[in-house]
Amino acid sequence: ELKVEQNPLFLSMQEGKNYTIYCNYSTTSDRLYWYRQDPGKSLESLFVLLSNGAVKQEGRLMASLDTKARLSTLHITAAVHDLSATYFCAVDPPGGSRLTFGEGTQLTVNP
Amino acid sequence: GAVVSQHPSWVICKSGTSVKIECRSLDFQATTMFWYRQFPKQSLMLMATSNEGSKATYEQGVEKDKFLINHASLTLSTLTVTSAHPEDSSFYICSASGGTGLADTQYFGPGTRLTVL
Repeated sequence: ELKVEQNPLFLSMQEGKNYTIYCNYSTTSDRLYWYRQDPGKSLESLFVLLSNGAVKQEGRLMASLDTKARLSTLHITAAVHDLSATYFCAVDPPGGSRLTFGEGTQLTVNP
Repeated sequence: GAVVSQHPSWVICKSGTSVKIECRSLDFQATTMFWYRQFPKQSLMLMATSNEGSKATYEQGVEKDKFLINHASLTLSTLTVTSAHPEDSSFYICSASGGTGLADTQYFGPGTRLTVL
C-alpha cells in the first residue's frame, strides 16, 4: 500500500523567511503532484514532477523530486502572506492514475 | 482548458434524504472520474473511481449502496448520497482525467460542501 507522508503538518513562519516542506512516499511512483488548497476551496495544481531530479519553479515556490530517495520538497523563498494555505503532495503509482495524498501542510505566513 | 465544474457548490439537507452531486468536464472528455471526500482539517480520501459506461470501483470501507456513482457520459458523473446522515457531512470533490495536457492528469472540481442536519 502506497503511503505518503508530509512534514511538517503545521508551519508558521514570518514573511521574508525561507522554508521547505517535505513529502516522502513509500513505493515507486510515476508522478508526484503538489497542490494548494485555500480554506473552503478545492485544489489548485501547482506542480507535476515526472522524473528523477525534476525541478520546477513558479514565483516563490520551487518543487523538486528525488525518486531514488522517494522524496519531494517544496521550497518557499521569502514567504509572503498570500502563500498562507494548505499544501498537499500526491503520488501516482506506476501504471495508474489513482492519487494518494499526503496529510497536508498547513502554512501560515505572519506579517 | 481542462475545467471541471461541480453542482451544487453547497447543500444543506435533512437527515434521511438523498442528495445528488454533479461533476462535469466542461471542455474535454473525461474517460475517468474520481470522487474524493475531505473532512475538516484532513486530507482528501478517494471514495471511488468511475469510467464512462461501467460500474464504479469503490475504495475499501466506502459503502457502494450509500454512495451511488453514475458516469453516464464522457462529461458527466454523479454522486448520490442516499439516506444521508450527519456523519456524511463533508466536502466532496470530484476530479476528471482523459483530456488535454498530460495523459491521466486529474483536474479537480471546485467541491461541494454537504451539511446534513
